[in-house]
Amino acid sequence: DQQVKQNSPSLSVQEGRISILNCDYTNSMFDYFLWYKKYPAEGPTFLISISSIKDKNEDGRFTVFLNKSAKHLSLHIVPSQPGDSAVYFCAASAEGSARQLTFGSGTQLTVLP
Amino acid sequence: GAVVSQHPSWVICKSGTSVKIECRSLDFQATTMFWYRQFPKQSLMLMATSNEGSKATYEQGVEKDKFLINHASLTLSTLTVTSAHPEDSSFYICSAAPAHEQFFGPGTRLTVL
Repeated sequence: DQQVKQNSPSLSVQEGRISILNCDYTNSMFDYFLWYKKYPAEGPTFLISISSIKDKNEDGRFTVFLNKSAKHLSLHIVPSQPGDSAVYFCAASAEGSARQLTFGSGTQLTVLP
Repeated sequence: GAVVSQHPSWVICKSGTSVKIECRSLDFQATTMFWYRQFPKQSLMLMATSNEGSKATYEQGVEKDKFLINHASLTLSTLTVTSAHPEDSSFYICSAAPAHEQFFGPGTRLTVL
């Protein structure tokens, strides 16, 4: 049972436009959500996170939106740059679970110049 | 962000030998570290949670006797793949969390011949 789902395996966006990556979850115990960026043969790099008490968190070009009622979060990157091309994973954790992360399957973002 | 290192970054070994991978938190103390593996084009799979001073907690389906974890100090956890076989070839990644966000090491590529 996949508790965190990224239904789009890939996304292509033109440079300068907005990239929107989506993530759905099923476990209502999750209270903290994170986005990671990963290049091949490297460890994931933390991008941005959001607590369940918020619905939006912004950091530079990256904004994460959380819709708890829909159990949905999204990562917006604007403007997109070719260097943003990577696999993006969303992850979730719950209080009391030693903050173990449950990862989605990832979305390959390609930003076209 | 916090820095997590892994050593070695890649290793090739013969079938039947054991391989040790080190994970260090460089600028913070971590009572808990996590070990993941990633197969090509797949998401990160949590293998075990490493607890300083106590036994690791393994995920279902992960052999404790095959993947030995030692968390001897607040900055070091080791994963030993015992009697490695070709099917153990994978990308192994560790992480640690000074707070809610987990920070990942750069990963170790293990190839078992």
